[in-house]
Amino acid sequence: QSVLTQPPSASGTPGQRVTISCSGSSSNIGSNTVNWYQQLPGTAPKLLIYNNNRRPSGVPDRFSGSKSGTSASLAISGLQSDDEADYYCAAWDDSLNAYVFGTGTEVTVL
Amino acid sequence: QVQLVQSGAEVKEPGASVKVSCKASGYTFTSSDINWVRQATGQGLEWMGWMNPNSGNTGYAQKFQGRVTMTRNTSITTAYMELSSLTSEDTAVYYCARAAPTVTTAYYHMDVWGKGTTVTVSS
Repeated sequence: QSVLTQPPSASGTPGQRVTISCSGSSSNIGSNTVNWYQQLPGTAPKLLIYNNNRRPSGVPDRFSGSKSGTSASLAISGLQSDDEADYYCAAWDDSLNAYVFGTGTEVTVL
Repeated sequence: QVQLVQSGAEVKEPGASVKVSCKASGYTFTSSDINWVRQATGQGLEWMGWMNPNSGNTGYAQKFQGRVTMTRNTSITTAYMELSSLTSEDTAVYYCARAAPTVTTAYYHMDVWGKGTTVTVSS
């Protein structure tokens, strides 16, 4: 069972803004930075956001991350068809001494 | 470029063990942890553990303690994950992933992933 909770799905039309929430606790999001991974269908996960709001080289600035207390969010602006993917939040958990992933959110472009 | 190349698909019988390899290239192998993450069909990502290729130190998720072993061969820049006492519940795609260098777990994240190795457990 994941310790980070995400909505199972999110959707929007092309050009819209979509946000995905990630809820944790004081031992993970409350203490450590949050990362987001994008998994396109049939492929390996890819780092999308790290250290709450940093983008790796090559990730468009349409993707942004934020964190407040024990929750975090990923925003996708200017939604495009190739953003259809599963998105996972993740963070280190000090109590479990483990890296924990969120439950995952499937984004659909209508 | 930095890449992790994993071994091919495996089919195992219940009770057997499987050993998956992950060959690193394009960076200093001993400078970054290697993590293993698995994903059953239609399910989410599940972290299994980490290994420091320099020291050989490891850390495993509670769920896999006693059943997983992560090792490495620095001469060929390859990491290994061995999982024993397989059941059908272990059928999944297994990924290796490099952890970006960091001095604290507060900033832990994985910046490079292998393409995955499918392990099927079936009699």
